Amino acid sequence: SQQGEEDPQALSIQEGENATMNCSYKTSINNLQWYRQNSGRGLVHLILIRSNEREKHSGRLRVTLDTSKKSSSLLITASRAADTASYFCATDEETSGSRLTFGEGTQLTVNP
Amino acid sequence: SAVISQKPSRDICQRGTSLTIQCQVDSQVTMMFWYRQQPGQSLTLIATANQGSEATYESGFVIDKFPISRPNLTFSTLTVSNMSPEDSSIYLCSVLGLSSGGFETQYFGPGTRLLVL
Repeated sequence: SQQGEEDPQALSIQEGENATMNCSYKTSINNLQWYRQNSGRGLVHLILIRSNEREKHSGRLRVTLDTSKKSSSLLITASRAADTASYFCATDEETSGSRLTFGEGTQLTVNP
Repeated sequence: SAVISQKPSRDICQRGTSLTIQCQVDSQVTMMFWYRQQPGQSLTLIATANQGSEATYESGFVIDKFPISRPNLTFSTLTVSNMSPEDSSIYLCSVLGLSSGGFETQYFGPGTRLLVL
């Protein structure tokens, strides 16, 4: 069963604006990962944050993790039209044996 | 990261038939996974496929409906058997690899888009 919940389900912004997506989960995790999916294609791995980390950066991406609240956020700064995609969080639970549980996803639309 | 290919990329099938999806990786990997993504939804894990052992299925998925083969460390197949329109989905394989930071993560193939009429 899916343990991740993401909000918002859909987000529409203008180019240059920042986009923030949130993810909540229910169990103890080893790490949390964010993926991007363009138009129903394969998933592209964006960033991984371990359970003992609070914040991580990669280019225009900033991920935070609050294990006390069991939540994470993905911030995309200075968004571009090419960032238009679905974004999924996925948790590697402590008892999962490397299996991932995906959130419901956020559909991001960046308007030029 | 591993380079993963899937065949076919898409197919339209008649109900009652079966389709076998292939997943090929450019390097040897121990763990491979098969996911289903129903229209407009997130990914659901079908099974974990380890070479040399039976696949491990998640709740709600059974071997008779989704038989999996894993003959070597670079290849796996998923068969969707006796298909119905409810099987219309994107099917994705993934492999366990190492991220740039040296941590285990999953890398995904491009997916197989299946439509069952």
